[in-house]
Amino acid sequence: GAGVSQSPSNKVTEKGKDVELRCDPISGHTALYWYRQSLGQGLEFLIYFQGNSAPDKSGLPSDRFSAERTGGSVSTLTIQRTQQEDSAVYLCASSLVSLKSSYNEQFFGPGTRLTVL
Amino acid sequence: AQSVTQPDIHITVSEGASLELRCNYSYGATPYLFWYVQSPGQGLQLLLKYFSGDTLVQGIKGFEAEFKRSQSSFNLRKPSVHWSDAAEYFCAVGASGGYNKLIFGAGTRLAVHP
Repeated sequence: GAGVSQSPSNKVTEKGKDVELRCDPISGHTALYWYRQSLGQGLEFLIYFQGNSAPDKSGLPSDRFSAERTGGSVSTLTIQRTQQEDSAVYLCASSLVSLKSSYNEQFFGPGTRLTVL
Repeated sequence: AQSVTQPDIHITVSEGASLELRCNYSYGATPYLFWYVQSPGQGLQLLLKYFSGDTLVQGIKGFEAEFKRSQSSFNLRKPSVHWSDAAEYFCAVGASGGYNKLIFGAGTRLAVHP
């Protein structure tokens, strides 16, 4: 079946512009995560959505970053007034959530490479 | 705070040689531990995971990892590396209970010489 998809695959923008990154999770997955992978660094958690619960935004680096998830499916990560340090690969992941399982594997998309000039 | 350290940024091995990638973690309780692989232009793929029980876990592509609580380590191994194993490898620790925010290490980039 289809995996997690993200668009665009690459985005080049000018400093100060706003960008939107899209994530389509695996159908039926109720949990959705955004991570950021900066050059030379590991993946950094940004935000987590689960069903109708309030999202965990604890990883968002500044108030320029926001995300929404419409209809419990597609998610959009928005970065306002982009800065050069926002350049990174933004990865989305989704998973089922089962309280019967001690862990629910996250399936990752291919990412969006954002370059801020 | 939870953290993951991968001491080796870059490793080069010859094809057919054995491999060990190091991972150390800091976590207050019994951790859930993972190794992911990221090939160029690809998303992350789960290689293996440890939750409890046998401390030696087997994964896909011939990889294995050993959990050593006394050393807070979860090193990844493969007895004979193939050229297709060239990729970046990430160790991660996660919390329990359905919701698993993952804390990743910085990654180790593996190059394989023919």
